[in-house]
Amino acid sequence: ETGVTQTPRHLVMGMTNKKSLKCEQHLGHNAMYWYKQSAKKPLELMFVYNFKEQTENNSVPSRFSPECPNSSHLFLHLHTLQPEDSALYLCASSQDAGDPYNEQFFGPGTRLTVL
Amino acid sequence: AQTVTQSQPEMSVQEAETVTLSCTYDTSESNYYLFWYKQPPSRQMILVIRQEAYKQQNATENRFSVNFQKAAKSFSLKISDSQLGDTAMYFCAFMKGNAGNMLTFGGGTRLMVKP
Repeated sequence: ETGVTQTPRHLVMGMTNKKSLKCEQHLGHNAMYWYKQSAKKPLELMFVYNFKEQTENNSVPSRFSPECPNSSHLFLHLHTLQPEDSALYLCASSQDAGDPYNEQFFGPGTRLTVL
Repeated sequence: AQTVTQSQPEMSVQEAETVTLSCTYDTSESNYYLFWYKQPPSRQMILVIRQEAYKQQNATENRFSVNFQKAAKSFSLKISDSQLGDTAMYFCAFMKGNAGNMLTFGGGTRLMVKP
């Protein structure tokens, strides 16, 4: 596998379920990001991790819980979601989050549907 | 807070012709970066071109070039000799110079290249 991978690619869950999204990057990067892409809103940054430390939480509801156990892996734990949380969740990585010249590389996304 | 506006939800162009996608932004920052990202139907977002606000010269990458008008806060993307593979969603994005690599995206323009 190369680049940024995300699993699962599609997920359907009920509002009472608990599920997790996984992102893995094979680029040797130190920064990882979660974005939400809704049908009717611009792409929104959710969380930023730099060297495993969370450096940004963009006012995301607590029903979304990120975890970054190492620089290569990023998880998004989901619980008691709402139907409006249905969206494409994109993961990205970059060399580090402190240099704007570091390009962000995106994964293919997980299409989440909350019933 | 920064905002990025893409006023053209959808555009189409004939193969081999030229098309220009519009983007305007609002910021009080003096040090920032602007980006165009492409998201093909397969969904993996890739960087097309980047412009540093302190540079007066417009960035170019092969068939892709920008028209950066700093005073007008305008950042349009020109695609020359359009190819079928250029069919995608195009997102304009803004990043503050010291913002830890945090991107603010516009709503996107869906470009269809017709044979």
